[in-house]
Amino acid sequence: NAGVMQNPRHLVRRRGQEARLRCSPMKGHSHVYWYRQLPEEGLKFMVYLQKENIIDESGMPKERFSAEFPKEGPSILRIQQVVRGDSAAYFCASSSIPAHRGTYNEQFFGPGTRLTVL
Amino acid sequence: RKEVEQDPGPFNVPEGATVAFNCTYSNSASQSFFWYRQDCRKEPKLLMSVYSSGNEDGRFTAQLNRASQYISLLIRDSKLSDSATYLCVVSNGGSQGNLIFGKGTKLSVKP
Repeated sequence: NAGVMQNPRHLVRRRGQEARLRCSPMKGHSHVYWYRQLPEEGLKFMVYLQKENIIDESGMPKERFSAEFPKEGPSILRIQQVVRGDSAAYFCASSSIPAHRGTYNEQFFGPGTRLTVL
Repeated sequence: RKEVEQDPGPFNVPEGATVAFNCTYSNSASQSFFWYRQDCRKEPKLLMSVYSSGNEDGRFTAQLNRASQYISLLIRDSKLSDSATYLCVVSNGGSQGNLIFGKGTKLSVKP
């Protein structure tokens, strides 16, 4: 059973370009989470999606960032007009069913995409 | 106040040492607690969940004190392979389910 897949593993963009990060959840998982880890910082939650729905985007910057998880295909995190401050590791995680109050479903993390903005 | 705060580290210890990490969290309604391990330039991996009664997994012991909003991780007989960054993680449950990570404490075990 393949784990969470992310690609590309490394992405270099110049300021002003667009970055597209892809995440394929583990087989059987329909819940996807995106986290960002800035250098020397902890992971920060960005967005939580189910198939075709954004459940919680409270951690997403208001501008330039968007995410989707279509019925078919991987989840995409899209960053438009990248700036140097977007340089970070972007991790995707997936779980089988959502967390409900008082319970937890383990989130399995992908290897991350390291974005470098020149 | 940060949502999850950890010892800044780094901890440099010899093989065989016992080392303890501490963590505090700010949201008294937090429901689930974990320790993750992250190797350099790798993804975080779940080390163990933390239960109110405390729990042990081999050389690792985790404790939770809800009244003090404090979580700990004890590693006994440390190995070279324990060298990593240890992340204290909290989940507030509900419909969101997202994880809240501390910045991590770096452990380096030396021969």
